[in-house]
Amino acid sequence: EAQVTQNPRYLITVTGKKLTVTCSQNMNHEYMSWYRQDPGLGLRQIYYSMNVEVTDKGDVPEGYKVSRKEKRNFPLILESPSPNQTSLYFCASSLTPRGGGVEQFFGPGTRLTVL
Amino acid sequence: QKEVEQNSGPLSVPEGAIASLNCTYSDRVSQSFFWYRQYSGKSPELIMSIYSNGDKEDGRFTAQLNKASQYVSLLIRDSQPSDSATYLCAVNGQGGKLIFGQGTELSVKP
Repeated sequence: EAQVTQNPRYLITVTGKKLTVTCSQNMNHEYMSWYRQDPGLGLRQIYYSMNVEVTDKGDVPEGYKVSRKEKRNFPLILESPSPNQTSLYFCASSLTPRGGGVEQFFGPGTRLTVL
Repeated sequence: QKEVEQNSGPLSVPEGAIASLNCTYSDRVSQSFFWYRQYSGKSPELIMSIYSNGDKEDGRFTAQLNKASQYVSLLIRDSQPSDSATYLCAVNGQGGKLIFGQGTELSVKP
């Protein structure tokens, strides 16, 4: 089944404890992206990647890191999480590097709480 | 001004009525426009994409684009309770960005 997977789906952690949220897609998509969703603010793009080893900042990259060493994986790293990073996170992918111009497929989401 | 703006709602319509959802965007060079549906606690799913001025119909859904007015809308005909969800308008930004509006919550009453 073609899909985007994220792990973990739910995570409660404490301030300053490094964490990684994994994202993987099995559709051979070139473009991958991370979003966070907060009430009243909608979906905001954190980072995106048009291809392996190519990553760019979205609108809210502060406090996050990403890497794209393989086409299928795009992990989101929070080196020192803070409570304002409590949010619902989505990974998405699309077939072509024109990620903003074509349909994006979303993963199931990761609900992160930072205490 | 936000880059993509939607009325947050909630928009309430009776079953069988037409629901009209609106979206405006600020970047005149945007070329790709999308409507996503998101049920509570779930991930967004694409329901319509539109790239040129005019109307695009898919079943009960019609997307309308007016680039001169920087306006895109979604009409849902014969609304069903299962259409109750948040509808997200998205517009391509510079580079590989996709910019979302804050979403409009739709409630279809039986």
